[in-house]
Amino acid sequence: ETGVTQTPRHLVMGMTNKKSLKCEQHLGHNAMYWYKQSAKKPLELMFVYNFKEQTENNSVPSRFSPECPNSSHLFLHLHTLQPEDSALYLCASSQGPSGYGYTFGSGTRLTVV
Amino acid sequence: KQEVTQIPAALSVPEGENLVLNCSFTDSAIYNLQWFRQDPGKGLTSLLLIQSSQREQTSGRLNASLDKSSGRSTLYIAASQPGDSATYLCAVYRQEYGNKLVFGAGTILRVKS
Repeated sequence: ETGVTQTPRHLVMGMTNKKSLKCEQHLGHNAMYWYKQSAKKPLELMFVYNFKEQTENNSVPSRFSPECPNSSHLFLHLHTLQPEDSALYLCASSQGPSGYGYTFGSGTRLTVV
Repeated sequence: KQEVTQIPAALSVPEGENLVLNCSFTDSAIYNLQWFRQDPGKGLTSLLLIQSSQREQTSGRLNASLDKSSGRSTLYIAASQPGDSATYLCAVYRQEYGNKLVFGAGTILRVKS
């Protein structure tokens, strides 16, 4: 593992379900991120948290709801998703800005049926 | 708005060949550029990071160059091996982007034995 752990690794959910993705880092980083990776598209930044505070919401639909209870944990709560939301969701952390020390988790492969 | 483009989208080469992956970006006022590797179903691993003041960085068989004025970077892989098969992504950072990286869509590399 890279230091950033994501669970579950795979998730299949119906459009009416509610589920949560979890991300955990023990690198002492103070920034955490959610990215969405769809086939043949660049990684899309969804949310940024600095010191537990959300600093960016990249026009993400409200059916995605992030939560950052502390600097080590990040959640993505999902509800009433659409099939086009199926993708690989990646969590990352970094010590701060500048791009140094960016560490990614292995991702959660989400399929919405 | 910064846009990052990677060419080619996919590349298949025989083992032992030297190869070059290309990355271009529209806003040349970057702070640094980073190359990542992503194996199927996995997260991203940082390979090389080039500061805007640097021209190149080397790690083993990998060499990354940066021409900031023209908005281009190349990743050179010498004596390619089947284990190099993966998706390679470049990403740029600038403080004005906030605490995040802007990614290209990646180049899928397959090295045939």
